[in-house]
Amino acid sequence: EAGVAQSPRYKIIEKRQSVAFWCNPISGHATLYWYQQILGQGPKLLIQFQNNGVVDDSQLPKDRFSAERLKGVDSTLKIQPAKLEDSAVYLCASSLGFGAGEQYFGPGTRLTVT
Amino acid sequence: GQQVMQIPQYQHVQEGEDFTTYCNSSTTLSNIQWYKQRPGGHPVFLIQLVKSGEVKKQKRLTFQFGEAKKNSSLHITATQTTDVGTYFCAVTGNQFYFGTGTSLTVIP
Repeated sequence: EAGVAQSPRYKIIEKRQSVAFWCNPISGHATLYWYQQILGQGPKLLIQFQNNGVVDDSQLPKDRFSAERLKGVDSTLKIQPAKLEDSAVYLCASSLGFGAGEQYFGPGTRLTVT
Repeated sequence: GQQVMQIPQYQHVQEGEDFTTYCNSSTTLSNIQWYKQRPGGHPVFLIQLVKSGEVKKQKRLTFQFGEAKKNSSLHITATQTTDVGTYFCAVTGNQFYFGTGTSLTVIP
């Protein structure tokens, strides 16, 4: 079974630039999550989708971050414009059902904002 | 909002010693999950606990959910170098929260 795919793996941008991350969850997984993990901290949930609907985006900085999951499969997370404090690993995860159960994580995208 | 604290933040043990990390919540939890993240890697699911007082074992790992469902522990017996990593608890309430994590170093 293929795992969660993410791209790119690494990205370096200057502040005020834009960046987009892509995630392809495990086939058949209804729920998709985007997390931000700053070095030395636990992952912080940014947004949770069930199929193509948003379940929770309360911790998403909506003035600069946006995410979509068209067709309920893969998803993109965008930052526009980036700030220095956005430097982190962005993790995508998926799970079969909603609200509980094992989450499968992708390898993450390491973003450095200079 | 949800507060989930883990202690200790860091733990260094000699190989063969035991290790325990604790997860404490300010509110009653519906369930709790545990994940392991190797250095440079991504979180990997270990287990989910749902019932009050539940105890589950996976080889050398023992997971416990408190009677009041406000705390949980992960105990590793006779640590090995392969146990190195950060252990996170994660809770679901209105939102999904990861704990602060315990970083385990095993000295050969």
